[in-house]
Amino acid sequence: DAGVIQSPRHEVTEMGQEVTLRCKPISGHDYLFWYRQTMMRGLELLIYFNNNVPIDDSGMPEDRFSAKMPNASFSTLKIQPSEPRDSAVYFCASSRPQGVAFFGQGTRLTVV
Amino acid sequence: AQSVTQPDIHITVSEGASLELRCNYSYGATPYLFWYVQSPGQGLQLLLKYFSGDTLVQGIKGFEAEFKRSQSSFNLRKPSVHWSDAAEYFCAVSDSSYKLIFGSGTRLLVRP
Repeated sequence: DAGVIQSPRHEVTEMGQEVTLRCKPISGHDYLFWYRQTMMRGLELLIYFNNNVPIDDSGMPEDRFSAKMPNASFSTLKIQPSEPRDSAVYFCASSRPQGVAFFGQGTRLTVV
Repeated sequence: AQSVTQPDIHITVSEGASLELRCNYSYGATPYLFWYVQSPGQGLQLLLKYFSGDTLVQGIKGFEAEFKRSQSSFNLRKPSVHWSDAAEYFCAVSDSSYKLIFGSGTRLLVRP
């Protein structure tokens, strides 16, 4: 298996623009997680899905952030409009029930 | 609420020396516990996990960790550190919801 695949690996955008991050989980994994990593706050869970349904989005910082999982093999995290404070590394992870979470390589987002 | 504390921000050891990274957690029941490693610019890789059973767990790359319920600890150890072990190490706790709560990380530096 190729593991969790995230795209793009790097994204530089201007403040106010829409940003879409993409994730393909490992086939057969029922859970998908979006995390954000910053120097100040470390690794934070933003939202997670079970069988494509959002279960807990309490970590989503603002209404500017939204996530979708239209099918078992694809998820997006969208920021609209983006702000400089959204600059971070965003990780997607997937797991089976009671399994280990496997992480993608992350998307480094820079908002200027 | 669950939480994880990694009291050491940085640790420096000489190559060949032993290593212990500390992790304390706060959780009402028996948690699921994990150690992940992150190399620069990379995602998180699982080193080992504790779900139940034997409190001393073996992981990849010669790492091990011991779950001590009385101390709410899950310290990571390695008897002889290699230069390639230089990275950031994250302890994490999870409950039945499978979402991970991470500590702030410990950066390991290895002296030649």
